[in-house]
Amino acid sequence: ILNVEQSPQSLHVQEGDSTNFTCSFPSSNFYALHWYRWETAKSPEALFVMTLNGDEKKKGRISATLNTKEGYSYLYIKGSQPEDSATYLCASSPNSGNTPLVFGKGTRLSVIA
Amino acid sequence: NAGVTQTPKFRILKIGQSMTLQCTQDMNHNYMYWYRQDPGMGLKLIYYSVGAGITDKGEVPNGYNVSRSTTEDFPLRLELAAPSQTSVYFCASSYSRARDYNEQFFGPGTRLTVL
Repeated sequence: ILNVEQSPQSLHVQEGDSTNFTCSFPSSNFYALHWYRWETAKSPEALFVMTLNGDEKKKGRISATLNTKEGYSYLYIKGSQPEDSATYLCASSPNSGNTPLVFGKGTRLSVIA
Repeated sequence: NAGVTQTPKFRILKIGQSMTLQCTQDMNHNYMYWYRQDPGMGLKLIYYSVGAGITDKGEVPNGYNVSRSTTEDFPLRLELAAPSQTSVYFCASSYSRARDYNEQFFGPGTRLTVL
């Protein structure tokens, strides 16, 4: 069974701080890596899908990078705001995308005003 | 499009009762999934379906049943509710097209408590 690991499990930062967290996944049979943002009492929403080694995606103050050879992705948040507080999930899509995503347990981010 | 809808939003069951959690999507996605979310444990896959008439077990299928008679609907059945099934349940759907990379769209969740 594929294991997707995320660290840290939780994180508290001050408003205005920049932060980053890690997702690691098996690099064999890699097809795509997904990041989701999951606010409390809501459902997960897709942030990025990345497929190529060296990929970098950006949406506002949030960006992500991908290293498929060593099996990791970083998510960065620049100038954290309270509305960034959420759980950030990553998920690996192996085997040409024909099997379900394998999710990590998430990193829970709290931004303190 | 309404996307993925789930009913009910909340439910309290007694031990041994049964119920069906409904999930419908209007995006013509061929893949559908049921997850449960337990505190600190992220999402665990219960069952999934790659098309009408086809279902497969996920990581934690025991105590649940599913059916997929249409592309749109993927109900989850609990036959004999147990306290261990207290959780938040999410339904999701996706395309199997290569260019979509299996990106999943989630419903709003059903919060179930078994007492």
